Amino acid sequence: NAGVMQNPRHLVRRRGQEARLRCSPMKGHSHVYWYRQLPEEGLKFMVYLQKENIIDESGMPKERFSAEFPKEGPSILRIQQVVRGDSAAYFCASSSGEGPETQYFGPGTRLLVL
Amino acid sequence: QKEVEQDPGPLSVPEGAIVSLNCTYSNSAFQYFMWYRQYSRKGPELLMYTYSSGNKEDGRFTAQVDKSSKYISLFIRDSQPSDSATYLCAMSYGGGYKLSFGAGTTVTVRA
Repeated sequence: NAGVMQNPRHLVRRRGQEARLRCSPMKGHSHVYWYRQLPEEGLKFMVYLQKENIIDESGMPKERFSAEFPKEGPSILRIQQVVRGDSAAYFCASSSGEGPETQYFGPGTRLLVL
Repeated sequence: QKEVEQDPGPLSVPEGAIVSLNCTYSNSAFQYFMWYRQYSRKGPELLMYTYSSGNKEDGRFTAQVDKSSKYISLFIRDSQPSDSATYLCAMSYGGGYKLSFGAGTTVTVRA
């Protein structure tokens, strides 16, 4: 029973390039959450998605960031025109319901912007 | 002021000692309280959660919540080197999905 999968695990981009982070939820989970972890800071909520719907994107920066969870395939977090401040670990969590204790986290994608 | 405050440590203890971790929070609307363990380069793993004031035990772990003081604690008894990790507190509104995390406390248990 595979857990939450994220790829790539490490991603290096130069300033101005695009970064695409993928998250495959646990089997049977239809809720996906993205969090960002900056050095020396706690995880920060970014966005909550269900299949084909963005439920809450209140933690997403207004520009350059977007997320989707299509009917088929993984959830994608897309960062356009990356800047050095985007360097962080991005974690995806999935759940079968909305209770906060039901979220299972993936191993994260570490993005480094040069 | 951060919504959730957690002393980053680091904390180093000898094997067998009791590890005491804590967080304070400012938002009285928080109702769910959780502790996660995060090993280096891994994702957070849920250790314990509770939604009421008082104590909750699970093996060597005890979670304590004091809503009147807006203070939560995690105690690890008979600590082992395998407990060496970063411990994150997290909380959310009742029934909510949006977790607010502390910065994490790095713990090292020396053999």
